[in-house]
This record gives sequence, C-alpha cells and structure tokens, in this order.
Amino acid sequence: AQSVTQLGSHVSVSEGALVLLRCNYSSSVPPYLFWYVQYPNQGLQLLLKYTTGATLVKGINGFEAEFKKSETSFHLTKPSAHMSDAAEYFCAVSPYSGGYQKVTFGTGTKLQVIP
Amino acid sequence: SAVISQKPSRDICQRGTSLTIQCQVDSQVTMMFWYRQQPGQSLTLIATANQGSEATYESGFVIDKFPISRPNLTFSTLTVSNMSPEDSSIYLCSGQGTAYNEQFFGPGTRLTVL
Repeated sequence: AQSVTQLGSHVSVSEGALVLLRCNYSSSVPPYLFWYVQYPNQGLQLLLKYTTGATLVKGINGFEAEFKKSETSFHLTKPSAHMSDAAEYFCAVSPYSGGYQKVTFGTGTKLQVIP
Repeated sequence: SAVISQKPSRDICQRGTSLTIQCQVDSQVTMMFWYRQQPGQSLTLIATANQGSEATYESGFVIDKFPISRPNLTFSTLTVSNMSPEDSSIYLCSGQGTAYNEQFFGPGTRLTVL
C-alpha cells in the first residue's frame, strides 16, 4: 500500500521568497515520486519526477525536489517565487515495479504568491 | 510525453440527463484513466479504461453510472449517466506510457449539473 501526505493545504509566500511545499510518502517498496502543478481551469502538468539515481531532481520553471529515503520525504522547492507560480501542486507516488502500478495523489497544496 | 485533449471543456446539464466526455491522445499510451476532481479536492480515480474490454472500476464507482469505452489505444470516452448535482465536478482523462508510471493529463471537463 502507498500513501502521500502533503502538509499544508494552503501556503503563502512573498514574491521573491523561497517556496517550500512538503510531501511525505509511505510505500512498502521503493517508490517513483512525482510533483504535478495545476493552474486554474487547467489539467495537471508534470513538474518533475524521481525514479532512480540522483536524489536531487530538477524540473521545469525552476523547481526542484529532493528524495530523502530516511525521512520518506520529497519536498518541492524553488529559490525565488514568481507570481506565475500561483497554482495548486500535487505530490504523487507509485511503486517502483515493472509494468503498470497505480499512482496515488496527495490532497494538494494551493500556493499563493503575494506581490 | 503525450498530449491529451478532451471535449467538451465544460458543460452545464440538467438533472437526469447524460453527458459523454471524449479523450484523445496524440500517441499510443499503455494505460488510460479517468479521474474526478471535486471542488477544492484531490483526484479520485474512477476507472482504468481498457482497450477493447470493460473498464476496471474503483470502489464506489459502477459501470451503470460511469460507462467507459476505449475502442483503440488513443481514444476513450466517459459517460456520466442520470446526472445529479452531486456529479458536478471536473473530470480528467490521463494517459500513462511505459516508463515510471508517469501520467499525462488532459485539460479536464468542467461539469455543472443543475
């Protein structure tokens, strides 16, 4: 079984400040981990993913996330928030396995960027 | 990556009617899925659309209410039947390729039932 916990349903940051969105996962086997972004009135877009190898993963729009196995975390960060980053962000997990495995999504974190 | 389109993008429907949502993928994907996203909530998987056979439904979702077809590898439809206001939601189609269970999403269909 697998699950994802996103701490904070709403996060507010000032423009130019650090963005930190928290994600903790539970998985009985090594996971694949994802961050998706959903802009208003749009579908979900993949920001980045961790599969294997390097634990620091860089994605689009200046975001990155670090897989920390000991902490079962995959927090999303961006050094300097931009107004265009305002959106909802979803963390997701899937078991590391051959063939299809179900993806479990977190409850989402809405990011507000204050000018 | 795959590009996924859905139509309609939004609709307003009357109680008791049905709506069919179409999902088209620009390349072949292994799996296709349908999700529901209720206002302010996360994604809930409705079913896995299987090519040429009956969809696999998640707990709480039934074929009579949400019939799904997938006649080929790049196209699927979801019908929301006998609608009630509780069906007002965003319905999302996704496709999954062969690597890492990565999913690509359509823009969603915003359904309002009056």
